[in-house]
Amino acid sequence: EPEVTQTPSHQVTQMGQEVILRCVPISNHLYFYWYRQILGQKVEFLVSFYNNEISEKSEIFDDQFSVERPDGSNFTLKIRSTKLEDSAMYFCASSVQGSTDTQYFGPGTRLTVL
Amino acid sequence: QKEVEQNSGPLSVPEGAIASLNCTYSDRGSQSFFWYRQYSGKSPELIMSIYSNGDKEDGRFTAQLNKASQYVSLLIRDSQPSDSATYLCAVIIQGGKLIFGQGTELSVKP
Repeated sequence: EPEVTQTPSHQVTQMGQEVILRCVPISNHLYFYWYRQILGQKVEFLVSFYNNEISEKSEIFDDQFSVERPDGSNFTLKIRSTKLEDSAMYFCASSVQGSTDTQYFGPGTRLTVL
Repeated sequence: QKEVEQNSGPLSVPEGAIASLNCTYSDRGSQSFFWYRQYSGKSPELIMSIYSNGDKEDGRFTAQLNKASQYVSLLIRDSQPSDSATYLCAVIIQGGKLIFGQGTELSVKP
């Protein structure tokens, strides 16, 4: 069964460093998403992406964040200058269609900012 | 602010019993509703989607939707210890944005 994959599973970085989290969505899916979950808190929407453009973004997704689909399979989330409060699980998700369709989640990347 | 509300639990049921999980949402325009299961340290795993008022059954799981009351529920029949997890209610609002509740922790005791 096709699934969303994410690398790395765990990333440790120093405050102020740049990190790139990588995702490979399910191959026939057209819509891609990033979510994050701070320990003990809700899963929160960050951004949705379709046709090489951001469709929606939350207030969390500020200028420190960017997303890119650098090739036909990868979807990346970059955090330019990490803060302590960026420590969280980051989940990539994808769906066939956008506005109503089921989103399938990858296993997540645990980001630890020291 | 679009919200999804769930009782955080923990909800404890004996093995073989029915577990009932509830959720309310604030956006009347929402059309797509989901239940995900999340084990500790893992990602959300889809259990059920529901789009129309009424019941939808899949094996031991039944999702119920009442748009007039802005209410979604999940029933788990013949609960098993392996069902012990956090159950997340989620609703799609504009732009495919999935809004999650805080989750209900379910514990099934052998």
